[in-house]
Amino acid sequence: NAGVTQTPKFQVLKTGQSMTLQCAQDMNHNSMYWYRQDPGMGLRLIYYSASEGTTDKGEVPNGYNVSRLNKREFSLRLESAAPSQTSVYFCASSEKGGYNSPLHFGNGTRLTVT
Amino acid sequence: GIQVEQSPPDLILQEGANSTLRCNFSDSVNNLQWFHQNPWGQLINLFYIPSGTKQNGRLSATTVATERYSLLYISSSQTTDSGVYFCAVVPSYNTDKLIFGTGTRLQVFP
Repeated sequence: NAGVTQTPKFQVLKTGQSMTLQCAQDMNHNSMYWYRQDPGMGLRLIYYSASEGTTDKGEVPNGYNVSRLNKREFSLRLESAAPSQTSVYFCASSEKGGYNSPLHFGNGTRLTVT
Repeated sequence: GIQVEQSPPDLILQEGANSTLRCNFSDSVNNLQWFHQNPWGQLINLFYIPSGTKQNGRLSATTVATERYSLLYISSSQTTDSGVYFCAVVPSYNTDKLIFGTGTRLQVFP
């Protein structure tokens, strides 16, 4: 099993450019999440999807949109990238919602916005 | 909101040594998880442990929810154990949140 797969691993954008971070899980999990990790700020939740067909804002949703394409895939879109969005982005999934089961992370995407 | 503090913040060990990492939380929680972030940035789930004790190889964890702490034991440490260890809790007052602790940075030298 691959677990949670994120693409790309690295990305450099210019301010104002757009991009989509892809995430797929093969564990038949119901819930999926997008986090960003910044030095001194820890992990912060951007958006989550408790189940297929639903999405909800997390702690820092501004500047992002998400799509739960199907049960396996959950993408994160930056419509107009800003330097403040330079970060490491992690996708995660869990079998149950409400963090009532183990959370499994992808390997991360390191994004730099210049 | 709930405070999740980990100790020690930094730990340096020689290979083969044992260690205990602590996670204290200031309010009641529904569940707790331990994660290891290795030097390459990968985040690995070690334990989902709302209460009681679990073991996985050289690692074990104990959560005493009524006393608001959890412990992670690493025995016979190896260089591959290096990285940052996080605990994360779901507060009982808001079960939609997962609050990460401050982390313990572990360095294991050969």
